[in-house]
Amino acid sequence: GQNIDQPTEMTATEGAIVQINCTYQTSGFNGLFWYQQHAGEAPTFLSYNVLDGLEEKGRFSSFLSRSKGYSYLLLKELQMKDSASYLCAVRDRGGAGSYQLTFGKGTKLSVIP
Amino acid sequence: DARVTQTPRHKVTEMGQEVTMRCQPILGHNTVFWYRQTMMQGLELLAYFRNRAPLDDSGMPKDRFSAEMPDATLATLKIQPSEPRDSAVYFCASGLTSGRYEQYFGPGTRLTVT
Repeated sequence: GQNIDQPTEMTATEGAIVQINCTYQTSGFNGLFWYQQHAGEAPTFLSYNVLDGLEEKGRFSSFLSRSKGYSYLLLKELQMKDSASYLCAVRDRGGAGSYQLTFGKGTKLSVIP
Repeated sequence: DARVTQTPRHKVTEMGQEVTMRCQPILGHNTVFWYRQTMMQGLELLAYFRNRAPLDDSGMPKDRFSAEMPDATLATLKIQPSEPRDSAVYFCASGLTSGRYEQYFGPGTRLTVT
C-alpha cells in the first residue's frame, strides 16, 4: 500500500514564493505527479518526476528525492489565480497497479493580496 | 481540444434509487479510472480499466456499485441502491499506458443522495 502526506492548508502572499511538501511511503515507486484543483473543478496535471532532481516549468517547479520519499512543488511569483488545492500523487511499480495513482488529500493554498 | 466528458454534472436523488453516471474518455486513451472525492477522504480510486477490461475494482463497495465499459467511448458507474453516504463528486479520468501515464480528468458528477 501507499501513504502520502502533505499539509492541509497554506497561505502565502501575492508575488511571493511558496513550497508545498509531500512525503510518501510506497512498496514500489514509479513516478510522482502534482495536480492542481480549483474549487468546484477537476484536477489538472501540473508536473511529473520519476528521477531525482528538479523539473522546472515556468513559474512552477517540482523536486523529487526517491531515497527520502520526498517531493515538493515550488510556486514562484504567486498570483491570486494560484489559489487552489495541490494534490500529490504516486504511481506504483509493476503489475495491475502500474497504471493507477494514489493521491494525497491535497494542500489548499490561499494567496492573499 | 480533447477532453473527458461526464454526464450528468449534477444529480440529486433519494435514498434507494439507482444512479448511473457516464463518462466518455479522450479518443485513443486506453485506460479509464473512476474516482470519488469527499472532503474527509480526498480523492479515492474506485475502479479502473485498461483496453476496456476491468483491472481493479477493490476500492468499490461491490454490493451496490458496478463499473463497466460497454465500448471504448463509454464508461459507466452505477450505484444501486444509493445511500446518503454516497454523496460525493465522482470523477472519471482517462490516460495512456505509455509515456508519463498522466491522467486527464473529466469535470465530475456531483451526487447528492437525500
